[in-house]
Amino acid sequence: DQQVKQNSPSLSVQEGRISILNCDYTNSMFDYFLWYKKYPAEGPTFLISISSIKDKNEDGRFTVFLNKSAKHLSLHIVPSQPGDSAVYFCAASLFGTDKLIFGTGTRLQVFP
Amino acid sequence: NAGVMQNPRHLVRRRGQEARLRCSPMKGHSHVYWYRQLPEEGLKFMVYLQKENIIDESGMPKERFSAEFPKEGPSILRIQQVVRGDSAAYFCASSPAVGGGDNEQFFGPGTRLTVL
Repeated sequence: DQQVKQNSPSLSVQEGRISILNCDYTNSMFDYFLWYKKYPAEGPTFLISISSIKDKNEDGRFTVFLNKSAKHLSLHIVPSQPGDSAVYFCAASLFGTDKLIFGTGTRLQVFP
Repeated sequence: NAGVMQNPRHLVRRRGQEARLRCSPMKGHSHVYWYRQLPEEGLKFMVYLQKENIIDESGMPKERFSAEFPKEGPSILRIQQVVRGDSAAYFCASSPAVGGGDNEQFFGPGTRLTVL
């Protein structure tokens, strides 16, 4: 039972353009959402998060949008840079717990 | 400030042997989490520990797997009598002892276990 889904396994974007990574979830009790970035042979690195009481959070080139009614969140990267090429994981946590539930990841490739 | 440390980075075991994976959390962090990533999949939660206590082990297989986080020393994930299906990347994460909804966890580089 995949509670957090990233339906696009890969995305290719030109440098300077916007990258939009999507994530859907099924459990309405999730109260916190995070995005992690992962390079090969390394652990995930925290990027940005959002509480369920908000609909947008911005940090530099990264913005996360949350649509609770649609159970959907997205990560926008603008402008995209070649160094952004990595696998991006969406994760969620349930109110009252500390474990993270991860999606399967989207591999982003930013080309010149 | 050193990050989360895991060792070994790579571990090869034959079927039936034991695997011990170690994790040292970030300085000042008292919460440790273990996750497993199978090929082409996301990370799956296994267990959450605080010093000397297992808080949530809902993701741990009932047999052969155990975890501890002693008062002194690193957290240990132990897999007895390994099978080929245990081959995966095992990631440890830590977070500070704070409450609230900020669940940012800092991950180590992982241990890649290969069972022959």
